[in-house]
Amino acid sequence: KQEVTQIPAALSVPEGENLVLNCSFTDSAIYNLQWFRQDPGKGLTSLLLIQSSQREQTSGRLNASLDKSSGRSTLYIAASQPGDSATYLCAVILSSNTGKLIFGQGTTLQVKP
Amino acid sequence: KAGVTQTPRYLIKTRGQQVTLSCSPISGHRSVSWYQQTPGQGLQFLFEYFSETQRNKGNFPGRFSGRQFSNSRSEMNVSTLELGDSALYLCASSWGVGGRSPQFFGPGTRLTVL
Repeated sequence: KQEVTQIPAALSVPEGENLVLNCSFTDSAIYNLQWFRQDPGKGLTSLLLIQSSQREQTSGRLNASLDKSSGRSTLYIAASQPGDSATYLCAVILSSNTGKLIFGQGTTLQVKP
Repeated sequence: KAGVTQTPRYLIKTRGQQVTLSCSPISGHRSVSWYQQTPGQGLQFLFEYFSETQRNKGNFPGRFSGRQFSNSRSEMNVSTLELGDSALYLCASSWGVGGRSPQFFGPGTRLTVL
């Protein structure tokens, strides 16, 4: 059974720091991995999607990497800002025949001014 | 392009009642999935629909059901509500089948069961 784990559960950093959020999955046979952001009481915003054949994806100050063999993904946020404060969730999809996302519990990030 | 919309945004029901939630996907998207989010269990998959057909179903009791219409809009129904059904219900839409394209989420419906 695929399980997704995110460490740490919470993180507090001063504004301007570069930071890394971690995501691990137990079964390396994934189809793709997606990172989302969730603001309190709101829905999820898609940040980056990495296909299983890719090693990384970049969007602005965000960079996500994927190492299937070790069952790990990282989300790198450069020059963090208070507006980055949110919960970050990673989720995997196991095959092309299903859209079922298997989520981690998330990392809640606070960026202090 | 308008995003995924969900109605209603907030709902309060009592135990034993039933509820219907609605989701309108992004224009052109044919796949809709539903998730339940609670503080204890996190995000859990309920169903996935594509072109009016249920493709996948999560591990929820039969009180949870759903459907998709020809215009891709989807509804989910929960009958005989229990206190534990209190949650944020999120729907997501994507253009293609399964995991081949990114999924975009709506703002959710907050259901409170008293």
